[in-house]
Order: sequence, then structure tokens, then C-alpha cells
Amino acid sequence: DTGVSQNPRHKITKRGQNVTFRCDPISEHNRLYWYRQTLGQGPEFLTYFQNEAQLEKSRLLSDRFSAERPKGSFSTLEIQRTEQGDSAMYLCASSTIQGGSYGYTFGSGTRLTVV
Amino acid sequence: AQSVAQPEDQVNVAEGNPLTVKCTYSVSGNPYLFWYVQYPNRGLQFLLKYITGDNLVKGSYGFEAEFNKSQTSFHLKKPSALVSDSALYFCAVRDGSGAGSYQLTFGKGTKLSVIP
Repeated sequence: DTGVSQNPRHKITKRGQNVTFRCDPISEHNRLYWYRQTLGQGPEFLTYFQNEAQLEKSRLLSDRFSAERPKGSFSTLEIQRTEQGDSAMYLCASSTIQGGSYGYTFGSGTRLTVV
Repeated sequence: AQSVAQPEDQVNVAEGNPLTVKCTYSVSGNPYLFWYVQYPNRGLQFLLKYITGDNLVKGSYGFEAEFNKSQTSFHLKKPSALVSDSALYFCAVRDGSGAGSYQLTFGKGTKLSVIP
């Protein structure tokens, strides 16, 4: 598989529960990005990693959100104490070390619904 | 700060006619510009990019875009629209000067409907 893989595709959770999403990037891509997309909006940047180091975080990433990339391969995004406003599509992307000069490859996303 | 404006929420075009989806941007350094397409409940698919060089960039599925530095625009075009082109199109920018962030900033998207 040469694409970016995200799991699960869909997640429905009750308000207050914790959820975790996984992203497997293209194997030779050093950079990994998380974005959030709400209905009718473009994707908004959350955070990015170069290898295992988290180099940038958006202020959208509140204290309830945490992302990891422990071995520089797959990444997880955890949301604690979910709120209805967290309902969105969470997109993962990866790119080469050139930082996206050749484009960012996106996964199909995880759609989160908080009820 | 960097930003992207897609002034049209929706563009309707008849099949076989040329299409244009507009995008203007703002970035402090060198613009790296991208177009992505999104089908319902799917992720983003890369169409084309401008990094440097020719102002006219050719991409996937017959799409092209023209970089205009003076107008800070990067409009997406196709000579002859297909019904299968109906989708949501996003323009994105990042600062390629080396001092900027690696994050892409997206516009709100333009829904393209190609009418048979």
C-alpha cells in the first residue's frame, strides 16, 4: 500500500469519552501532519511531526488533544473528554523531508461524531 | 500569516464548457501553491502545484492553473468540463521561503457542479 492509511474511518462516541485515531503515512515520508475539517470549511492545520519530533502545534490543539509519533512511523491523535464541537473529519497527511515541495499526500480521514 | 480566498462557494458549468475556479492568496515569503479535490466522505486528492518556474502548471485529469504574482492569484482551469469533475476543490498555500511554517493553509473550498 503506497497511500496514507487512517483508522478508523468513522467513530461515534458519547460526549466526555476519549477517542484515539491512527495514521500510517507513506513509509518514506518523514513529515506527518494532522488537519481537522468541519462541514463547509477547508482543512485546518493542527500539528506536524518530523520523524518523531512534534515541531509545530496550532492553537486549535487544545489541552484535550494530544498527538504522538513514537518511532517516527505511525502517529496517533487522542482527544480526551470529547465535546460536540470536536465533531469533524480528522485528516492525516505525509510528505517528504523537502517539506511538501512535491505535495502532501492525504489519507481518507476519520470522521468523528460526538453525540 | 498566510491566507487563501476562494470567492465562489459554488461554480456551475455545462459539460464540455471550460471551467475556472478562482483562488487568491496572501503569504509573506515565496508562495508554494496547491490545488486539491475532495469527493464526498473522502480525503483530499492532489491535483497540481506551483513551486517555481512556468506560471502555467499542468496537473492531473486535464486540469491546469495559472500563477499570477501581481494579482496573487492561482486560478484552476480546465478546457472542457466532465460530469465526473463535480466535486469540492480546495486551494492551499504555504510559505516556501524556508523561514515559514510547513503547514498548508486552505481556502474554504469551491463546489463545482458540471451539468450534463
